[in-house]
Amino acid sequence: GAGVSQSPRYKVAKRGQDVALRCDPISGHVSLFWYQQALGQGPEFLTYFQNEAQLDKSGLPSDRFFAERPEGSVSTLKIQRTQQEDSAVYLCASSLVLAGGPGETQYFGPGTRLLVL
Amino acid sequence: KQEVTQIPAALSVPEGENLVLNCSFTDSAIYNLQWFRQDPGKGLTSLLLIQSSQREQTSGRLNASLDKSSGRSTLYIAASQPGDSATYLCAVKNTGFQKLVFGTGTRLLVSP
Repeated sequence: GAGVSQSPRYKVAKRGQDVALRCDPISGHVSLFWYQQALGQGPEFLTYFQNEAQLDKSGLPSDRFFAERPEGSVSTLKIQRTQQEDSAVYLCASSLVLAGGPGETQYFGPGTRLLVL
Repeated sequence: KQEVTQIPAALSVPEGENLVLNCSFTDSAIYNLQWFRQDPGKGLTSLLLIQSSQREQTSGRLNASLDKSSGRSTLYIAASQPGDSATYLCAVKNTGFQKLVFGTGTRLLVSP
């Protein structure tokens, strides 16, 4: 079946531009996560949705970062006035249930590689 | 704040060797621990998930152990193959939280 998909796969932005990154989770998955992965580092948590509710946004680095999931499926991560330090791979993950058993495994998309010049 | 460390950062072995990757975490109040594999330019693939009440999980040539009290996990790969070459990431989920906290990974290269 289809996994988590993300678009675009690559994005080059000039400093100061706004960008929008899209995530299509696995159909029926309740939970959706965004992570940021800098070069040579492990992913770092940005934000988490349970259906359409954003329950944790503690990892968003600044108020330039905004995420939404209005209908509880597709999610968009928006970065306003991009800075060079925003250059990273942005990973989206989804899981079937909140917790308990194999259904809580997070399935990751291929990521969007953002380069801010 | 939970911190996850992985050693070594990089490992190069000849095909057929058995190897061990290490992961340590500072806060033992974890709900579960996962090992992922990441291939260049691709997302993460979950290999094994160990609940906090478990000691180990096995899948094929992979075996992951968990010692919660000492804050350690190991991933054992038997009879390594060139196709095992990838970055291996350890991640923990703390009790009461949904997010994963990742280590920086171990880059594995298995030579034919």
